[in-house]
Amino acid sequence: RKEVEQDPGPFNVPEGATVAFNCTYSNSASQSFFWYRQDCRKEPKLLMSVYSSGNEDGRFTAQLNRASQYISLLIRDSKLSDSATYLCVVNMSPLGSGNTPLVFGKGTRLSVIA
Amino acid sequence: AAGVIQSPRHLIKEKRETATLKCYPIPRHDTVYWYQQGPGQDPQFLISFYEKMQSDKGSIPDRFSAQQFSDYHSELNMSSLELGDSALYFCASSFIPGTANTEAFFGQGTRLTVV
Repeated sequence: RKEVEQDPGPFNVPEGATVAFNCTYSNSASQSFFWYRQDCRKEPKLLMSVYSSGNEDGRFTAQLNRASQYISLLIRDSKLSDSATYLCVVNMSPLGSGNTPLVFGKGTRLSVIA
Repeated sequence: AAGVIQSPRHLIKEKRETATLKCYPIPRHDTVYWYQQGPGQDPQFLISFYEKMQSDKGSIPDRFSAQQFSDYHSELNMSSLELGDSALYFCASSFIPGTANTEAFFGQGTRLTVV
């Protein structure tokens, strides 16, 4: 089982739609969770950190469910510019224990269509 | 704000040649990660450094080596290049405060093409 698994894509949605991505992780000791956005042939860019209480940033909401070991990303009122690959990223180490690498999911491709 | 700087941005090498990729982390970041991303693939972890010491190792071939210098910049050395080494190589940096999420920030990457 891969350490971080994401919904298979692609997601093709019309402008204004709400879309949700889920991601599961295998290491229950993981403490840090992130969503990155990656445009074609560009570097991943941090979209949101995911905090234990969930967090919201404009149209984007991230939630964490430790019991089920999954995190989610909800995008409301999709824009054409949201089209990208969304990468679920997990730091498998407990906070402050070192710098084990971030583990990436395979990414979910989102295409927002006019 | 200063970001992660990678050089060169593009590199073309022939098989069996060597290549050196450089990464300059965000100021005051103490950790550097190297990732390789093939076409249509997710980034694969190669190696990381914390405070100039190797801290973790992923799927880095024996033909590759890396180090982090006293100024915290890092270099990835690749020898006996193969066609399959053609990929985007990303460097990321982070700061490990011990009490908060350790976001990593990526450089723009080096696109290596082996011909």
